[in-house]
Amino acid sequence: DIQMTQSPSSLSASVGDRVTITCRASQDISNYVAWFQQKPGKAPKSLIYGAYSLQSGVPSKFSGSGSGTDFTLTISSLQPEDVATYYCQQYNGYPVTFGGGTKVDI
Amino acid sequence: EVQLLESGGGLKQPGGSLRLSCVASGFSFSSCAMNWVRQAPGKGLEWVSAITGSGDYTYYADSVKGRFTISRDNSKNTVFLQMEGLRAEDTAVYYCAKAYLWGLDYIDYWGQGILVTVSS
Repeated sequence: DIQMTQSPSSLSASVGDRVTITCRASQDISNYVAWFQQKPGKAPKSLIYGAYSLQSGVPSKFSGSGSGTDFTLTISSLQPEDVATYYCQQYNGYPVTFGGGTKVDI
Repeated sequence: EVQLLESGGGLKQPGGSLRLSCVASGFSFSSCAMNWVRQAPGKGLEWVSAITGSGDYTYYADSVKGRFTISRDNSKNTVFLQMEGLRAEDTAVYYCAKAYLWGLDYIDYWGQGILVTVSS
């Protein structure tokens, strides 16, 4: 199975900061990575697919990059509404696997 | 508007059975693979199972293989998760999640989740 190692597990930043979350796959998965945001008590929301493509309606402050084994999710200017846990996921093959999550606080 | 509405959760004893349902609307249901993803209390997301748009192919996490069965009824826009031999570690919120296309693909929409509690 492909392991997705996400870091950091948590971070605290100030409003307006640029925040970067990384995800490393245990093998080459091309660009088959998605990122999700989960606010407390809510269902996950899809942010990015194909490593860098934004889901419809997702604000452009979110961006993704990477290919092969190393991927990043960046929030360009952190706002209070971005407080959430973020997960990466690989869909290169079954079983689909998620990273452990990164909890982002202000 | 895409909507996914799960039902069928609740409290079950270890060893028991439960069937979750997810009714979908707002998209061409038979054109999209469907997934079940779960989240144990205070834990991260764990993919459980997937089924292709036609229902011809199914996939399972090792943790549920042989105990859970995914199926779909495209005439009713519904996907099911039959859960047998329930264990305490199956306690979680179960999310129905739509894939973008027919087969292995990224998840673009999630349901609101349904709680399954396995306890004596």
